[in-house]
Amino acid sequence: GAGVSQSPSNKVTEKGKDVELRCDPISGHTALYWYRQSLGQGLEFLIYFQGNSAPDKSGLPSDRFSAERTGGSVSTLTIQRTQQEDSAVYLCASSLLVSTDTQYFGPGTRLTVL
Amino acid sequence: GDSVTQMEGPVTLSEEAFLTINCTYTATGYPSLFWYVQYPGEGLQLLLKATKADDKGSNKGFEATYRKETTSFHLEKGSVQVSDSAVYFCALSDGLTGGGNKLTFGTGTQLKVEL
Repeated sequence: GAGVSQSPSNKVTEKGKDVELRCDPISGHTALYWYRQSLGQGLEFLIYFQGNSAPDKSGLPSDRFSAERTGGSVSTLTIQRTQQEDSAVYLCASSLLVSTDTQYFGPGTRLTVL
Repeated sequence: GDSVTQMEGPVTLSEEAFLTINCTYTATGYPSLFWYVQYPGEGLQLLLKATKADDKGSNKGFEATYRKETTSFHLEKGSVQVSDSAVYFCALSDGLTGGGNKLTFGTGTQLKVEL
């Protein structure tokens, strides 16, 4: 079956612009996670969803970052007023349940802020 | 908080050499442990996992044993191939500190295998 998909695969934006990153999890997976992979910070957790709710947003680096999930499926990560330090690869992963420990990752969105 | 420490890379080996990538962890509870692999130009893939002490995860000739006494989960392979060239990430999830089963990753170890 189809895996986790993310779009766009690459995004170049100017400092100060807003961007939206999309994640389509594996069908039927109730848990969805966002991570960020950057040179300086490695792979870090941002937020997770159980269904449409986000019980833990503590990994979001600032209030410029927000995420939502609708219909228990697609999730969007929004970064407002982008800064150069936001440049990274943003990864999405899903798992069947929150209690299921195996996460399946998408290919990522490479964000470059000029 | 939780943390994972793995050996710095890059690691360069000749084909058929023995591979060890060290990984140690600090966690609040009894975490599950993982090795993920990222091949060039591809996304993260689960390589193997272990969910409790003394469990051995294995896949594609790679093995790692969950050692609670030494808080370690070292990755080994007896004979590497050029196709094993990738970045390897050690990770844990404990499901206890919020974040659902969020993964805490090590910094990654790049492996290069040469003919």
